[in-house]
Amino acid sequence: RKEVEQDPGPFNVPEGATVAFNCTYSNSASQSFFWYRQDCRKEPKLLMSVYSSGNEDGRFTAQLNRASQYISLLIRDSKLSDSATYLCVVPPPASGGSYIPTFGRGTSLIVHP
Amino acid sequence: DAGVIQSPRHEVTEMGQEVTLRCKPISGHNSLFWYRQTMMRGLELLIYFNNNVPIDDSGMPEDRFSAKMPNASFSTLKIQPSEPRDSAVYFCASSLGLTGGHGYTFGSGTRLTVV
Repeated sequence: RKEVEQDPGPFNVPEGATVAFNCTYSNSASQSFFWYRQDCRKEPKLLMSVYSSGNEDGRFTAQLNRASQYISLLIRDSKLSDSATYLCVVPPPASGGSYIPTFGRGTSLIVHP
Repeated sequence: DAGVIQSPRHEVTEMGQEVTLRCKPISGHNSLFWYRQTMMRGLELLIYFNNNVPIDDSGMPEDRFSAKMPNASFSTLKIQPSEPRDSAVYFCASSLGLTGGHGYTFGSGTRLTVV
């Protein structure tokens, strides 16, 4: 299994829909994870962190399934402005000696009217 | 805070020419990262610095690439000579410490085209 895998999409959904995508990882020692958002021709920006207890921020919910080694991002009531690429970020294991996270290739979301 | 500042925003150059990309990290951030992004390979880490010291440059593709950080507020990535396969978006990012992915702030990137 690759270190971090994401379905590239695109996920094409109408406004108001609920959409979810997953990110699988291979290093089970990771303690926390992140979702970054990247708009077209822009830089990645931190969207939210994902901890063992999950995380919710408005319409966005991020969860961690440690047994199956994946994290998920759920977006409720999709807006046109949610259209972007969502990058999963897996930190290095705490005991591995590296400080560098692995970025997934991203999942493209297109929200249409 | 102005964020991470990169220049130039766009660069078009001919094969064989030297290219220098510049980055000013967020004031107070002591870790700086150079990434390259392409459709084929996604976001790749090239090199990173901590307290101005290069820590790991294993991501640098080959000797044509070099990076420096002479002080806490400035870094450069140089490609000499440039080749068409170097065409990509180059991002600089900074963080307060080696956070493992939390709190990275990326610059707007330099879109490099080598013809």
